[in-house]
Amino acid sequence: QKEVEQDPGPLSVPEGAIVSLNCTYSNSAFQYFMWYRQYSRKGPELLMYTYSSGNKEDGRFTAQVDKSSKYISLFIRDSQPSDSATYLCAMSGAGGSEKLVFGKGMKLTVNP
Amino acid sequence: NAGVMQNPRHLVRRRGQEARLRCSPMKGHSHVYWYRQLPEEGLKFMVYLQKENIIDESGMPKERFSAEFPKEGPSILRIQQVVRGDSAAYFCASSPWGGRIADTQYFGPGTRLTVL
Repeated sequence: QKEVEQDPGPLSVPEGAIVSLNCTYSNSAFQYFMWYRQYSRKGPELLMYTYSSGNKEDGRFTAQVDKSSKYISLFIRDSQPSDSATYLCAMSGAGGSEKLVFGKGMKLTVNP
Repeated sequence: NAGVMQNPRHLVRRRGQEARLRCSPMKGHSHVYWYRQLPEEGLKFMVYLQKENIIDESGMPKERFSAEFPKEGPSILRIQQVVRGDSAAYFCASSPWGGRIADTQYFGPGTRLTVL
């Protein structure tokens, strides 16, 4: 079983839709949970990070972590064509500066 | 504040040649990480360095790959005797002094290595 599992998609939605992206993980030591956005042929850009369980909201983006189920989610409200990118979940251990373990990434296309 | 800088952005090598990839972390960041992204794959951790120290190299292939982060200058990822399977995007990330909550990693634009 891989440490982090993420459905690679692709996912195509109409503009304005609510998008839900998910990852599961197997390593109980993970404490930091992050979502990165990566445009084609660019480096990953940090979108959201969450420490331990709970929700975090930033504008149209909401990140959720459920440690009991080892499941994390990213919700995008009122999706825009500019949100079209690959979304990667990433996790690390208690130190915060430890190596990140990534999911494969989900390619999202938002159609105008 | 300039972000993480990597050069070259694109590198073409023939099989058997050496590849040197450079990474300059963000100002004030003393931790550097290297990741590799193979086609259709997620990013895989390779190595974690602080100035003059390798902290974790558990993701580095046992042969041909090495990394350093000298006291002065950029971090270098070196691949000797490249093979076609080394073709990938190599990303560098940096983070500030460790030990604090949410010292998250910020990524550079990557170096795309093509081995002919």
